[in-house]
Amino acid sequence: EPEVTQTPSHQVTQMGQEVILRCVPISNHLYFYWYRQILGQKVEFLVSFYNNEISEKSEIFDDQFSVERPDGSNFTLKIRSTKLEDSAMYFCASSEELRAFFGQGTRLTVV
Amino acid sequence: GESVGLHLPTLSVQEGDNSIINCAYSNSASDYFIWYKQESGKGPQFIIDIRSNMDKRQGQRVTVLLNKTVKHLSLQIAATQPGDSAVYFCAEGGNFGNEKLTFGTGTRLTIIP
Repeated sequence: EPEVTQTPSHQVTQMGQEVILRCVPISNHLYFYWYRQILGQKVEFLVSFYNNEISEKSEIFDDQFSVERPDGSNFTLKIRSTKLEDSAMYFCASSEELRAFFGQGTRLTVV
Repeated sequence: GESVGLHLPTLSVQEGDNSIINCAYSNSASDYFIWYKQESGKGPQFIIDIRSNMDKRQGQRVTVLLNKTVKHLSLQIAATQPGDSAVYFCAEGGNFGNEKLTFGTGTRLTIIP
């Protein structure tokens, strides 16, 4: 069964460093998303992406965040200058229409 | 503002019994609802979804009920198994493919052997 894959599974970075989280969405999907989940909390929307541009972004998705679809398969989330409070699980998701399928996540730890 | 909340943070059910997980939503404009299961250290896994023009939808061992009058959503799991132990999230969204999902806080379901 097709699935969304994310790399790395765990990333440790120093505060102030840049990180890039990578995702390969399901191949025939058109809509791409990033969500995050702080430990023990609910899943929060960050950004949606369609037709090579951002469709919607939350207030969490400030200027330090950016997304890119550099080729036909990858979808990336860049955090320019990480803060301690960016520590969370980051989930990529994709959908063909409404039903979003999630990857296994990248656990980002900022130290 | 929008909010999706769950009535119970934890639920324990005897193996083989049926379980019901409830969810309240406040955005009456939401057109689409979806249940996810999340096991420890993993991503949300799709269980079942329903559009606002329906009030019931059944899958394999799962049923989702939607009551738009009271803005209530429930997930019924029949004949629970140990593998059903997880956190269950409801989420709401719009009717277009690029619309965000707003998640509830989650209910931890524990199946007692």
